[in-house]
Amino acid sequence: GENVEQHPSTLSVQEGDSAVIKCTYSDSASNYFPWYKQELGKRPQLIIDIRSNVGEKKDQRIAVTLNKTAKHFSLHITETQPEDSAVYFCAASKDFNKFYFGSGTKLNVKP
Amino acid sequence: SAVISQKPSRDICQRGTSLTIQCQVDSQVTMMFWYRQQPGQSLTLIATANQGSEATYESGFVIDKFPISRPNLTFSTLTVSNMSPEDSSIYLCSVVDGYQPQHFGDGTRLSIL
Repeated sequence: GENVEQHPSTLSVQEGDSAVIKCTYSDSASNYFPWYKQELGKRPQLIIDIRSNVGEKKDQRIAVTLNKTAKHFSLHITETQPEDSAVYFCAASKDFNKFYFGSGTKLNVKP
Repeated sequence: SAVISQKPSRDICQRGTSLTIQCQVDSQVTMMFWYRQQPGQSLTLIATANQGSEATYESGFVIDKFPISRPNLTFSTLTVSNMSPEDSSIYLCSVVDGYQPQHFGDGTRLSIL
């Protein structure tokens, strides 16, 4: 089955700096890669996703890049704000049939 | 996106008992999933709830412990049977409709005494 690895497990940045979280996957058939943000005590919420026919996608301060050859994808958050502090999960899926999650990154944005 | 209602939101149960968690969606969806999230951990898929047939379980999860029903395209239940303290966790349902993103319910926080 698919194996998704996520790094780093914790990330601390100063407000206004950029944050990058990286994930690798093992199954070359995976073709959909969502990112979720989970605040303490709340459900995971989709923040951005990318499909395998696209190399990069951006939504305001958030961007995701995908390198299919290397089987890795990354989340980029620019101009971080304290409200970006949360746990972020990457995931991989083939045809939306099943989703495999990374281990999570706890992002702390210091004011 | 679909509105997902999950009940109960939390419960405290005695060991050896069973609890059924409900997941209701406001529209028909193709896929419904059940996850477990232990404190400070990632999401682990328990099973895919299949409409009108037996659920598909992931390695390490069995039907006797986690029976799942999905009688229609908008509703599913997960039962945690013969509970022990190791079952204390958050249980989440999620839905996918076609090739649309997966969305989660608010989860059920379960504590076993």
